[in-house]
Amino acid sequence: EDQVTQSPEALRLQEGESSSLNCSYTVSGLRGLFWYRQDPGKGPEFLFTLYSAGEEKEKERLKATLTKKESFLHITAPKPEDSATYLCAVQARSGAGSYQLTFGKGTKLSVIP
Amino acid sequence: GAVVSQHPSWVICKSGTSVKIECRSLDFQATTMFWYRQFPKQSLMLMATSNEGSKATYEQGVEKDKFLINHASLTLSTLTVTSAHPEDSSFYICSASGGSPETQYFGPGTRLLVL
Repeated sequence: EDQVTQSPEALRLQEGESSSLNCSYTVSGLRGLFWYRQDPGKGPEFLFTLYSAGEEKEKERLKATLTKKESFLHITAPKPEDSATYLCAVQARSGAGSYQLTFGKGTKLSVIP
Repeated sequence: GAVVSQHPSWVICKSGTSVKIECRSLDFQATTMFWYRQFPKQSLMLMATSNEGSKATYEQGVEKDKFLINHASLTLSTLTVTSAHPEDSSFYICSASGGSPETQYFGPGTRLLVL
């Protein structure tokens, strides 16, 4: 069974204080690992897809990295508007065309001005 | 690009009634749509996967007769919660994939409250 564990559950940062969120996963054949941002009462917003170990992707203050067992979402000099819940999800090579995602519980990030 | 809409954004209904939620991909053709449920402080739980023109595939523990899914076109899928009960109150979110097959783009969600 595919599993995704995110840590920490919650993280409070001062504005400008860089940190990293962790996503550990076990999956029978990784097709892709996804990061999403979810604001309260909203649907998840797509951030990144990573496909193979060693891959990195960046978007503004966010940088996602991937190893064979985990992914990190690095946040550099965060701003209050970066406050949200960040979700990690894996997509396994299961069944032709299924493309199902297994989500972690998320990390709730709060950036204090 | 890759915009997904949901309607309604929230709904309150009486126990025993049925509620229909629409999910539309606005700027791409969605060959596959997914329906999720999210309880407070929990992650998204996949309910079912639907491919255009085919019957939906339901996850274990999800009642097919209670949660009716129709994916009649490449831009529209509907979820009908039949004979809703208070325990069905939740945040229902759809996603769609098609333009970039591996990536799912999510709708804004529908909050359902059953009294």
